[in-house]
Amino acid sequence: GAVVSQHPSWVICKSGTSVKIECRSLDFQATTMFWYRQFPKQSLMLMATSNEGSKATYEQGVEKDKFLINHASLTLSTLTVTSAHPEDSSFYICSAFKREGSYEQYFGPGTRLTVT
Amino acid sequence: RKEVEQDPGPFNVPEGATVAFNCTYSNSASQSFFWYRQDCRKEPKLLMSVYSSGNEDGRFTAQLNRASQYISLLIRDSKLSDSATYLCVVNGGNTGFQKLVFGTGTRLLVSP
Repeated sequence: GAVVSQHPSWVICKSGTSVKIECRSLDFQATTMFWYRQFPKQSLMLMATSNEGSKATYEQGVEKDKFLINHASLTLSTLTVTSAHPEDSSFYICSAFKREGSYEQYFGPGTRLTVT
Repeated sequence: RKEVEQDPGPFNVPEGATVAFNCTYSNSASQSFFWYRQDCRKEPKLLMSVYSSGNEDGRFTAQLNRASQYISLLIRDSKLSDSATYLCVVNGGNTGFQKLVFGTGTRLLVSP
């Protein structure tokens, strides 16, 4: 199956700092990527849809100025959590949509963010 | 009401048992349905898609009832390695066919 990577796999940062998470599709081009967040014992919640070459589409309740998304190439989308606070601590997962074959979404391994 | 609802469990079963999970969804315009498996602190992995006619993959059988907006997953001959959280996922409707909506998951624990 297709491979999606995320970097870093985990990060600890201080309150008020910014953190950038990268999502890469390694063996296919992804014009659309998705960013999810999962709090403990809760479901994955879609934060935003990242479209190559255009602005991301954010879900209701997600602050676009706080969660900056850049999808500058067909294989890379980045999520920057600006001015992070402890309540932003969560598991962030990206997925990349493959338009050929099964039209499946492939998930990255996730990034665990802890804000102290 | 949540878009996708599941019993969180946990379901504790012995090896070899048959176990069934159910899921309901609220958006009648939904077009695609899936079961994903998520292990602790890992990303979800696609287990199987769910079709109206029902489909089977080895020990796993999935069923969809569009009239009742209900999806099921049956696992036969449970293995220890089946212990995980099973996510019911719905895609489509008027929100766009690419967007996935996840249930909170049903936790399965298979014991020796």
